[in-house]
Amino acid sequence: QKEVEQDPGPLSVPEGAIVSLNCTYSNSAFQYFMWYRQYSRKGPELLMYTYSSGNKEDGRFTAQVDKSSKYISLFIRDSQPSDSATYLCAMSGWRNGGSNYKLTFGKGTLLTVNP
Amino acid sequence: DTGVSQNPRHKITKRGQNVTFRCDPISEHNRLYWYRQTLGQGPEFLTYFQNEAQLEKSRLLSDRFSAERPKGSFSTLEIQRTEQGDSAMYLCATGLPYEQYFGPGTRLTVT
Repeated sequence: QKEVEQDPGPLSVPEGAIVSLNCTYSNSAFQYFMWYRQYSRKGPELLMYTYSSGNKEDGRFTAQVDKSSKYISLFIRDSQPSDSATYLCAMSGWRNGGSNYKLTFGKGTLLTVNP
Repeated sequence: DTGVSQNPRHKITKRGQNVTFRCDPISEHNRLYWYRQTLGQGPEFLTYFQNEAQLEKSRLLSDRFSAERPKGSFSTLEIQRTEQGDSAMYLCATGLPYEQYFGPGTRLTVT
């Protein structure tokens, strides 16, 4: 079992829809949870990060973390064609008595928002 | 633009050749990471520097790979005797533990 599982999709929605993206993980040492957006042939772009459990909102984006269920989500409201990209979840935290905070990523979900 | 630059952006090489990539991080960040991303996968950790010290290497980093960060500034990643399996996007990231900023990557194609 991989440490981080993410449904690769693809996911196709109409413009204006609410998009829900999810990841599950198995390592309880993860404390920091991030969402990145990656356009084709570009580097990942940090969208949001959350520490421990809870919600965080930034404009049209909301990140949720449920550590008890080892489940994280990213919601995109009023989705736009420019949101079409691959969305990657990533996590880091203390392990083996220390941490360099290296990121462990999901496979990414390919999202297409149709006009 | 995150402020992290990588060169070259694309490298095509023949199997068996050596290649070197460069990463120029955001100047005030002392942590620097290298990741590798293959098609349809998320990035995978390769190695980590804090200032000039290389503190961790992934088992993915075979002895054909070497990385340096002289004086804690820019970093280089060298692959010797390239193999077709080395074809991937090589990404550099710098930042705080929970805010890693990625460069645009170097896409390596081994023919």
